[in-house]
Amino acid sequence: QVQVVQSGAEVKRPGSSVRVSCEASGGSFTGISWVRQAPGQGLEWMGRIIPFFGLRNLAQTFQDRVTITAGTSANTFYMDLSNLRSEDTALYFCATENSHYTILNWGQGTLVTVSS
Amino acid sequence: NFMLTQPHSLSASPGRTVTLSCTASGGNIVDNYVQWYHQRPGGAPTTVIYEDDRRPSGVPGRFSGSIDSSSNSASLTISGLQTDDEGDYYCQSFDKNKSVFFGGGTTLTVL
Repeated sequence: QVQVVQSGAEVKRPGSSVRVSCEASGGSFTGISWVRQAPGQGLEWMGRIIPFFGLRNLAQTFQDRVTITAGTSANTFYMDLSNLRSEDTALYFCATENSHYTILNWGQGTLVTVSS
Repeated sequence: NFMLTQPHSLSASPGRTVTLSCTASGGNIVDNYVQWYHQRPGGAPTTVIYEDDRRPSGVPGRFSGSIDSSSNSASLTISGLQTDDEGDYYCQSFDKNKSVFFGGGTTLTVL
């Protein structure tokens, strides 16, 4: 089974940007999705990257603020969220997808806190 | 717009069988695969059912998934309930563009 490990917690000021990283290892996958969860709320999909084809899909809500990229080392991926506001305080998850876009393996989550 | 609706909460006794529902609107449930995720408090989600009715390795056979086209819904059935099964369960599917949509989640209490 693929292991997914994410970077550590971040505290950011409003208006700044944050980068969360994710490394997937130990198996095969086709894509990487990013999902966030605000405190006490449900899961919200942000977007995905399919690295072999260089394809990216973003949820409409995040079209203008999220960038998803692949790193130079294999199986490392990044999610950049810009113009942070307090409502962006959440747990951010990275997860692997198979060829059917099915999410299978989840990272442990990265807490991003936006506070002045 | 495509949406998935789940009951907010459910409770059942240990050893019993429970069925969680997930009703689609704005699209047909049969058009795309449905997944189910389990999340314990403070933890990351884990996939318990994928592609409608498939179980990842390590997920016990007590978990099963199904699709009902007549009610445009998906179901997750858990038999032989254990206290460890408590937590939030989210269904998930896609719109025609393969954007991911989650249901609001059902909190399962085993008592």
